[in-house]
Parts: sequence; structure tokens; C-alpha cells
Amino acid sequence: SQQGEEDPQALSIQEGENATMNCSYKTSINNLQWYRQNSGRGLVHLILIRSNEREKHSGRLRVTLDTSKKSSSLLITASRAADTASYFCATGGHSGTYKYIFGTGTRLKVLA
Amino acid sequence: DVKVTQSSRYLVKRTGEKVFLECVQDMDHENMFWYRQDPGLGLRLIYFSYDVKMKEKGDIPEGYSVSREKKERFSLILESASTNQTSMYLCASSPIGQGSDEQYFGPGTRLTVT
Repeated sequence: SQQGEEDPQALSIQEGENATMNCSYKTSINNLQWYRQNSGRGLVHLILIRSNEREKHSGRLRVTLDTSKKSSSLLITASRAADTASYFCATGGHSGTYKYIFGTGTRLKVLA
Repeated sequence: DVKVTQSSRYLVKRTGEKVFLECVQDMDHENMFWYRQDPGLGLRLIYFSYDVKMKEKGDIPEGYSVSREKKERFSLILESASTNQTSMYLCASSPIGQGSDEQYFGPGTRLTVT
């Protein structure tokens, strides 16, 4: 069953604006990861945040994690047309298993 | 850089055929995974393997089997392909650990069963 739910399902913004995507999950986790998928391609790992971390940065990416609310957000600052893609959250470390559970994704379109 | 390759980008098969999807990774990762991706459903785990000859069912294993005879290679087998198995299939690998590390994905195989 799908645990992660991204919100919104689709987002359209102008180049230079910030994009925020949210992810909610249901059970306790070891870590939460964000991936990007360009149309028809495989997923590329963006950033991982562990359950004992609250915020993490990587370049123009900022991820927050609120374990009390079982939610995470991904912020892309100063977006570019090349950021157009689908973004997925994935949770790992469920009850000591090897499984990762992916959400259904947010489709981001950045207009030039 | 980690490289995960899949045998085909596009594949068209007929109903009832036996289909093999191959995945190879070059980073000596212990864990390998097969997912299918369908619109509106995200990625769903079919099978995963945490060691050679070891496998565990994921969330949707029905109609599929897997084989891992060598550490670098993980095969997904559709014993008798059906139209509802038309989908994008993604292979991934990750280093040892229980869901604690990033996954590296292959480019995907878009399978059409007619």
C-alpha cells in the first residue's frame, strides 16, 4: 500500500519562483528521501533526511521533516525550466525492513 | 558513479509470452529492487533482494517472479504476460542497510503487452 502522499499533485510556476511540495506518511520511519524523475526516465536521488534531523539543505533544495506530524516538505528555490519533472518522496526503514515506500508524486512545471 | 542498466528501454510482448527483464548494477550493492510505475499509483514494489539467491515479495508480487544468481544482476520474470502488466518497470539498487540509504535507479523499461 502507498504510504507517502504528495501534495499538490501538480504545480505550475514561473521561472525564478520557489516551489514547495509536501509529503505525508503514516508509520514511523528511519529516513525520508526525495527523488526527481524526468519524463519517461528513471528516478534520481535528491536528498535524504534522517528521522533525527529537522532540516537539510543541498544547493537550491531545502527539506524539512516533522516526525510529530509525519510530514516533510521540499522547497526548490529560484526554480529553473530544467527543474520541470515529477518529484517523489520515499520513506525507508519501516520496522527494520529493506523496503522503501514511494508516494504518488508531484508534477512540477516551471515556465520560462 | 553508480550505474544501473536495464536490458531494454521499450519492449512489446504478446499475451501469454514469458518475459525477462534484466537489471545490472556495477557498484557491488547488496540490495536490488523491482518496481512498477503506473499513472496515479506511483511506484509499487514487486520484489526485492538483499543478497544473492535471496528474495522477498513486495506489495504486488502476483504474476511475477525474480532471480538473483549473481550479486550484480537481478531479473524480473513475467511467467505469462497479461495486458494488465503493461507498465513502466524500474530497477534500483542500494548498499547494505535496512532502508537507510538512497536507491540508484535504472532508466526503466516500458513494457507493452498486447
